[in-house]
Amino acid sequence: AQRVTQPEKLLSVFKGAPVELKCNYSYSGSPELFWYVQYSRQRLQLLLRHISRESIKGFTADLNKGETSFHLKKPFAQEEDSAMYYCALRGSGAGKSTFGDGTTLTVKP
Amino acid sequence: DTGVSQDPRHKITKRGQNVTFRCDPISEHNRLYWYRQTLGQGPEFLTYFQNEAQLEKSRLLSDRFSAERPKGSFSTLEIQRTEQGDSAMYLCASSLDPGLGEKLFFGSGTQLSVL
Repeated sequence: AQRVTQPEKLLSVFKGAPVELKCNYSYSGSPELFWYVQYSRQRLQLLLRHISRESIKGFTADLNKGETSFHLKKPFAQEEDSAMYYCALRGSGAGKSTFGDGTTLTVKP
Repeated sequence: DTGVSQDPRHKITKRGQNVTFRCDPISEHNRLYWYRQTLGQGPEFLTYFQNEAQLEKSRLLSDRFSAERPKGSFSTLEIQRTEQGDSAMYLCASSLDPGLGEKLFFGSGTQLSVL
């Protein structure tokens, strides 16, 4: 079974402050982890994938297999980062992805 | 707009009626997924297709639900004898490369309300 937990429903920070959105997972095999983002009135879209080890819009995420975590981080939050963020897991070779329940990030001016 | 297209955007129906949703994936995307999302929760996997073949169905998908992708292009999701618990956002997503780091492109969804 695979499970994704995002412990914070809501997260509020001030502009310029660091932000970390937590994601913990449970999966017995080798997982693929993703972060998706949904801005107001827009469709859900991929933000980044652990396999790519990329930084998108200043966000990074490191897969920590020991702690089974894939936290999303940004050193200096911007107001345009305000959105709903979903962490997702896909088992290796699988089709379906399992999503967490999301964290609403609000960046205050 | 060349993204994933879903129709209708909203559907209101009475309990017991049948409803059908359509999803047009991005051209040449061979994988197509259906997810369901209720308020306060993340998307839940329902089923997916590789071209016209339905490869996996969630146990959430009762016998009242059926999905097709007859020619490997658009897909339909039908719910028979709708129940109030079926009220949700139904999301479609497609992808081109199912390999490592598969990137899903989502549609805007169909919001179903069962009265």
